[in-house]
Parts: sequence; structure tokens; C-alpha cells
Amino acid sequence: EVHLVESGGGLVQPGGSLRLSCVVSGFTFNNSWMGWVRQAPGKGLEWLANIKQDGSEKHYADSVKGQFTISRDNAKNSLYLQLHSLRVEDTAVYYCAKYSGIYYGLDYWGQGTLVTVSS
Amino acid sequence: QSAPTQPRSVSGSPGQSVTISCTGTSNDVGGYNYVLWYQQYPGKAPKVMIYDVSKRPSGVPDRFSGSKSGNTASLTISGLQAEDEADYYCCSYADTLWVFGGGTKLTVL
Repeated sequence: EVHLVESGGGLVQPGGSLRLSCVVSGFTFNNSWMGWVRQAPGKGLEWLANIKQDGSEKHYADSVKGQFTISRDNAKNSLYLQLHSLRVEDTAVYYCAKYSGIYYGLDYWGQGTLVTVSS
Repeated sequence: QSAPTQPRSVSGSPGQSVTISCTGTSNDVGGYNYVLWYQQYPGKAPKVMIYDVSKRPSGVPDRFSGSKSGNTASLTISGLQAEDEADYYCCSYADTLWVFGGGTKLTVL
């Protein structure tokens, strides 16, 4: 069974940094593109970034380019998202998700980790 | 990257059909047949209901169907059931990136 478990969220002050982690199981991590999506309280889903199987290719939404960095460690079955220069509007639940090996798009998602940016 | 436009809310009675639209541009919805629809219950992770515009993953009822015309994709739910009440999001590939629609709240009356 596929599992994705995010961690690392919490309360951070504006301007601060945070590193989110996602540990996966139940599928071959190093064969899968992976991505991050966030959802602000009461708002819709926002795609943030994705990364190729070997980490050689990364893509970012314009809204977070230069502010967030996606990375992975295939030996640890782990995906990461480094968040810098956080603003109040970055407050959201951050989801880790895997791309399907059968079709284009995210198929399995974690339960999310809440990041709250507040003074 | 602007989000495809979805109606904020739709509603229908049990047994009826509803259609949710997702209007993008030729750079996303209209340019690729990689449109997905996700169902999300409050506090839960999204679940894929449709991929490649009109295909259903195994386990998704055939009451859910998808289509696309030009820059607009649509999700139709027929034979509405109470359990269909949820938020629905379209998602489209957009040349190395992905964009989600703003989301639609479906209310089953």
C-alpha cells in the first residue's frame, strides 16, 4: 500500500525558513516523479514544484520560484521542500504527492503538514 | 500561470446530474489532453477521479465522466449521491508545470 507521510510543519515567524520532509513507502520511489502542492486555509489547491526521479530536473510555480527548493534522497525514500523568506500568505497545508507511472498527473497524496507563518 | 476558472459552487438533488466546468487557455487545458479532476473532502487529501481528460482510475464509479472542448474541460457526475458532496478541482499540465483550477464546492440538496 502506498504511503506518503509529511513532517516538518509548524509555526514560523515571517522571514523565517522551514524544511518539510516526506517519507514514502509502498512504491519504488526512485522510479517516480514527485511533487508538492499546498492549500491555504479555506482556499484551493496550488501546485508548487516537482522533481524528476534522479533529481536532475526540477520545475517550480512562478509564485515560489527562488523562494522554495525541492530535493530528494532516493536512498532514504524521502522528498524535501526547503522554504525560505516565509510570508504570512505562505500559511497552508503542504502536501507531498507522487506522479503516476501510468498517466500524467499526481495519483497518491500524503495527509499534509501545516505551516503557519505568523509573528 | 493563472488558474483555470471553475464555478465556485454547484448543487443538485440526489439522482440528478451536475456538470462542473474548468476554463483555461491554450497554454494549459486547451493545449494538452492531460487534465485531471480531484475530489476532496474537508480535512482530507485529494483523490483523483478522472485523468487524461476522460479516463477513470479503477474504483471510481462510472457516474463520473470527463470531457473537453477547446479550452474548457468538464466533469459530469450523474445519479448524484449524498457522498458526492465535496470540493472538486481540475488540474492541467501546462508545459513542464501544472495548474489547478480554483475549485468547485458541490452541494447535494
